Amino acid sequence: DIVMTQSPDSLAVSLGERATINCKSSQSVLYSSNNKNYLAWYQQKPGQPPKLLIYGASTRESGVPDRFSGSGSGTDFTLTISSLQAEDVAVYYCQQYYSTPFFGGGTKVEIK
Amino acid sequence: QVQLQQWGAGLLKPSETLSLTCAVSGGSFTGFYWSWIRQPPGKGLEWIGDIIHSGSTNYSPSLKSRVTISLDTSKNQFFLNLTSVTAADTAAYYCARMVGYCGSPNCETTPLWNYWGQGTLVTVSS
Repeated sequence: DIVMTQSPDSLAVSLGERATINCKSSQSVLYSSNNKNYLAWYQQKPGQPPKLLIYGASTRESGVPDRFSGSGSGTDFTLTISSLQAEDVAVYYCQQYYSTPFFGGGTKVEIK
Repeated sequence: QVQLQQWGAGLLKPSETLSLTCAVSGGSFTGFYWSWIRQPPGKGLEWIGDIIHSGSTNYSPSLKSRVTISLDTSKNQFFLNLTSVTAADTAAYYCARMVGYCGSPNCETTPLWNYWGQGTLVTVSS
């Protein structure tokens, strides 16, 4: 299994400020034949199922605000919320789909 | 709009079988992979397995010995059975649709999920 480790477990950010979440995979999730990273990010608000935000490490799903961005390659990835809004309070998960799908443990984002 | 509505028993005793149903509406049932994913309280997500309209399945290696996913195309429903449950199986269980489409001759699916059921909390306790 390719295990995903997220950091930090939680963070508190002021409204309008930047939030940065990290995700590290135990092996590379970069598929050499197409140069794509098989890494996705989800947002889960309390009492709701997860919502797909980003795939391919950096491609936003349709309808996702552009304040959400993903970066990284290989084994190290980052989700950035450029200007935190109240509705962004949630737990964020990374997921690799290079092999058997595996999710990170989640990062809880709160308002400071 | 695709909707997934799920239901099943919420309280089980150890050694019993967990059974959940997910009904799909608002879109095609054929050509997509339908999945089950679970989330223990306060923890992360775990992929359980999936099925396509032909009946072909994929299961998580860690759960494969206890899991059966099946479907009824006439009702646009798919099902999860998990045998011999223990407290470690306590979780919110979600049904979901995988991204992509599997037609003929091309099958282009990706194990990401963009449509989800509302979740069913299943508690295993004696």
